[in-house]
Amino acid sequence: SQTIHQWPATLVQPVGSPLSLECTVEGTSNPNLYWYRQAAGRGLQLLFYSVGIGQISSEVPQNLSASRPQDRQFILSSKKLLLSDSGFYLCAWSVLDYPYEQYFGPGTRLTVT
Amino acid sequence: AQTVTQSQPEMSVQEAETVTLSCTYDTSENNYYLFWYKQPPSRQMILVIRQEAYKQQNATENRFSVNFQKAAKSFSLKISDSQLGDTAMYFCAFIYAYGQNFVFGPGTRLSVLP
Repeated sequence: SQTIHQWPATLVQPVGSPLSLECTVEGTSNPNLYWYRQAAGRGLQLLFYSVGIGQISSEVPQNLSASRPQDRQFILSSKKLLLSDSGFYLCAWSVLDYPYEQYFGPGTRLTVT
Repeated sequence: AQTVTQSQPEMSVQEAETVTLSCTYDTSENNYYLFWYKQPPSRQMILVIRQEAYKQQNATENRFSVNFQKAAKSFSLKISDSQLGDTAMYFCAFIYAYGQNFVFGPGTRLSVLP
């Protein structure tokens, strides 16, 4: 069966510090991968998605970037965090041909102080 | 651009009762999917039910069913025999059939009372 992992689970970082959140998927090959952000009391907003190694699409302009160095690894980064980057970050995956059926990881709660 | 609206920020229901959560959406496309996701206090997003827009029959998953009104662009979720474990945020979501971008509603916080 497929599983998706995210770490760390929680993170507190000062403004201006770098960020690296990692997501890995097990039990499937060539998945689509997604990064979402959920602000407090809000729905999810898609930040990035990837349909293959090195292929990244950005949905919203922002302070963050994403990379996919391996087939089942998706990384969310920032060189300098802003207060507005605080939120709950969720990684998701889907089968390549069925992007509408996405499965979410446990999430990372990021607090920028 | 497509939007998803959930007009009920919070709802409560007694255990074993039935509750209906509302969702409306706006799109000019004809081929899309609609979803209800549940987010319990653990924050894990869990797929509850999915509806293909080309299907007239309403989807059902055990105690969860939807009322899909395509012309009205309405997609409500009915939870029967509510259980304490149903307490969660519920998000309605939309995606085009060949798209990558889910559009989520703002959510409805459901509390099941003992």
